Amino acid sequence: DGGITQSPKYLFRKEGQNVTLSCEQNLNHDAMYWYRQDPGQGLRLIYYSQIVNDFQKGDIAEGYSVSREKKESFPLTVTSAQKNPTAFYLCASQSLTGGGHEQYFGPGTRLTVT
Amino acid sequence: KQEVTQIPAALSVPEGENLVLNCSFTDSAIYNLQWFRQDPGKGLTSLLLIQSSQREQTSGRLNASLDKSSGRSTLYIAASQPGDSATYLCAPLKSSGSARQLTFGSGTQLTVLP
Repeated sequence: DGGITQSPKYLFRKEGQNVTLSCEQNLNHDAMYWYRQDPGQGLRLIYYSQIVNDFQKGDIAEGYSVSREKKESFPLTVTSAQKNPTAFYLCASQSLTGGGHEQYFGPGTRLTVT
Repeated sequence: KQEVTQIPAALSVPEGENLVLNCSFTDSAIYNLQWFRQDPGKGLTSLLLIQSSQREQTSGRLNASLDKSSGRSTLYIAASQPGDSATYLCAPLKSSGSARQLTFGSGTQLTVLP
């Protein structure tokens, strides 16, 4: 069953703790993306990676870190430096070959920090 | 920087009506444009991808048009059903060097009343 999985679905943390969100894809896609969604707002890009062992900052990278050690996996760490970490986090992947470049999304992780 | 506006922000219609959702973007140098659907608390589902060289793309009761030069896209939904109730997001894809980045609007929240 092909697709993108994110875990966990819900995550609760205390302020000051780092937390890592998982994203895995079995679509053999080159590029992977992390977005953040806040109520009533569109998605904002945090980080993206087009190839293993390489990634770039998006529009709101401060307080976040990522790694891309395997093509299938792109975990996101929300650090204690992120001032407003409570949000809905979405991971996406995309093939960079062929004509479409359609992005596919996972089911999301809702992070609540108190 | 690309900015995306979706009008209206919310729309409520009786079942069976045809409706149009509007999307405008400021930078016409796009590679393609995707329309997504998002149900509450869920990830995004890709509905249609329209390439920059295309004018229209159809899938079932959905039809998306693109006027790249004027920075506009519309999503037409025919014979609306209660199951169409969701938030609809448009996202143009900018190609800049090797980057492939989507910019999202805030969405149109559609409610179809039975």
